Amino acid sequence: DVKVTQSSRYLVKRTGEKVFLECVQDMDHENMFWYRQDPGLGLRLIYFSYDVKMKEKGDIPEGYSVSREKKERFSLILESASTNQTSMYLCASSLLDRLYTEAFFGQGTRLTVV
Amino acid sequence: AQSVTQPDIHITVSEGASLELRCNYSYGATPYLFWYVQSPGQGLQLLLKYFSGDTLVQGIKGFEAEFKRSQSSFNLRKPSVHWSDAAEYFCAWMDSSYKLIFGSGTRLLVRP
Repeated sequence: DVKVTQSSRYLVKRTGEKVFLECVQDMDHENMFWYRQDPGLGLRLIYFSYDVKMKEKGDIPEGYSVSREKKERFSLILESASTNQTSMYLCASSLLDRLYTEAFFGQGTRLTVV
Repeated sequence: AQSVTQPDIHITVSEGASLELRCNYSYGATPYLFWYVQSPGQGLQLLLKYFSGDTLVQGIKGFEAEFKRSQSSFNLRKPSVHWSDAAEYFCAWMDSSYKLIFGSGTRLLVRP
């Protein structure tokens, strides 16, 4: 069974803290994504990676960075958490193949910044 | 900017009634289009996808979608809705760099 695992389901952090959200996939997928999901706004792409050490900005990269040192792991970093980063964060992965690609999602991390 | 639009935030249908959820895209070339469903407290699950060929695509759970280039639409349909279909539905497209971009979602409520 394919799997995308996010390290935490719920996190509470203080304003100004550095926050790491971890995502691991076991499907040998090239592509990995980080989204945030907010009511009425759908899923907005924060960052995208198509290979180890490669990354591309999505629609809302401000205040975030990412790290992909190994193919199976994609980390989202909030350098200095702020209350407007309180949200649901979703990680996904997919093959680098248009015909067979399907994005598989983790269960999400609900982050609250207080 | 290239995007997908889901014009309906909420839709309520009675159990057993037919369903159509709207999705419009703005992209010049033939897009790669998807529909995902998110049940309460669950992750996203792929319902169906369109890349090329037959414009009527069958998916899981009895859903289908039709790609209409003339209307820039990829609407999701189901002939008879079940209470378990209550969820949030997202239309998405993949651009040339494999980025997956989502619409804002439509929440489906099912009346008994």
